[in-house]
Amino acid sequence: SAVISQKPSRDICQRGTSLTIQCQVDSQVTMMFWYRQQPGQSLTLIATANQGSEATYESGFVIDKFPISRPNLTFSTLTVSNMSPEDSSIYLCSSSQGGTDTQYFGPGTRLTVL
Amino acid sequence: KQEVTQIPAALSVPEGENLVLNCSFTDSAIYNLQWFRQDPGKGLTSLLLIQSSQREQTSGRLNASLDKSSGRSTLYIAASQPGDSATYLCAVRRTAAGNKLTFGGGTRVLVKP
Repeated sequence: SAVISQKPSRDICQRGTSLTIQCQVDSQVTMMFWYRQQPGQSLTLIATANQGSEATYESGFVIDKFPISRPNLTFSTLTVSNMSPEDSSIYLCSSSQGGTDTQYFGPGTRLTVL
Repeated sequence: KQEVTQIPAALSVPEGENLVLNCSFTDSAIYNLQWFRQDPGKGLTSLLLIQSSQREQTSGRLNASLDKSSGRSTLYIAASQPGDSATYLCAVRRTAAGNKLTFGGGTRVLVKP
């Protein structure tokens, strides 16, 4: 199974600031995914990050608010910009290893915005 | 638009009882369905993946069935243990090319010793 790590594991931030979350996969993968889980809710896909191209955003999510980088086949970052308390959530990255359909998830980044 | 529903939202059982968790989806044109476990404040652990051509998958005490035509999947956990206490999520994937998962709201399970 793929091993996915995220940094930071949690953070408390002031409104108006930005936070960059890192995601590292232990093998090369084509697609990486960023999900948001708001308190008490299920997961919602923010965007799909492909290496070498612009990220593809889901309805309701925009690049200015959630810029994503994908510099190589094992790493991606998600930035939450100009944060407000409504951005308080767990942010998870995900991927599947080549040749399998199983999706694996990182441990998540718990963000609290004051 | 695919919608995934999990009922009940919460379930409490005594240790040793079998658990039955339900997942329903509105669009039967799925590529696969995956069950996950999430412990409080943590990420997701994959439990079972069922391809659209399969009827069930088993792993240890876990068994997941899929009835694509009726838009349903059921996760059975035999002889539940307190360590099975967690939130269980199902997610469907629409196509082979697109990896997007659509999640249900989850069932929060408490197994009492």
